[in-house]
Amino acid sequence: DTGVSQNPRHKITKRGQNVTFRCDPISEHNRLYWYRQTLGQGPEFLTYFQNEAQLEKSRLLSDRFSAERPKGSFSTLEIQRTEQGDSAMYLCASSFSLQETQYFGPGTRLLVL
Amino acid sequence: AQSVTQLGSHVSVSEGALVLLRCNYSSSVPPYLFWYVQYPNQGLQLLLKYTSAATLVKGINGFEAEFKKSETSFHLTKPSAHMSDAAEYFCAVSSSNAGKSTFGDGTTLTVKP
Repeated sequence: DTGVSQNPRHKITKRGQNVTFRCDPISEHNRLYWYRQTLGQGPEFLTYFQNEAQLEKSRLLSDRFSAERPKGSFSTLEIQRTEQGDSAMYLCASSFSLQETQYFGPGTRLLVL
Repeated sequence: AQSVTQLGSHVSVSEGALVLLRCNYSSSVPPYLFWYVQYPNQGLQLLLKYTSAATLVKGINGFEAEFKKSETSFHLTKPSAHMSDAAEYFCAVSSSNAGKSTFGDGTTLTVKP
């Protein structure tokens, strides 16, 4: 088991462009979470999936953000029409069940110019 | 609703000295509590977790934390700091019926030789 992986690790984009990040959870983990972390702050919850169902979305997740987990395995997080305020580290985590520990990936650091 | 307050955004100790990082939480239901460590440009690594079993929880790298319900606290300690402990530490709370975690803003630990 190689842990949670995220790609790309770094992304630089221009304001207004669309970006997509991928998260591969630990195999057999049915829960997958997305968090956003800005400098000097702790991670903030964005959304989570149980299998392919998106069960909760934070109010932080504007209409420009969309996440999918089409087959209950990997997940993608897309940001449309990026803004400078979207610059952050985007973290993915997975867990086997509701009460189990969330294991975090290394994150994707986004810089919007 | 749940929240976490980490007292002290920066803590500095000498190598070999006691490490004490403070965390207070708020939760409307019995909480699960976690401490994570984050090294620069990396994801979060779980140090330890409390899930309603023993109130004194031992984790990796010599860290431990004590759950005190009356004080709504979950402070992290280590008897003797090592240079490799220098990192950012996050306290988090979740509940048995909600998978998402709420994080504090973190405490940066500096270890002086």
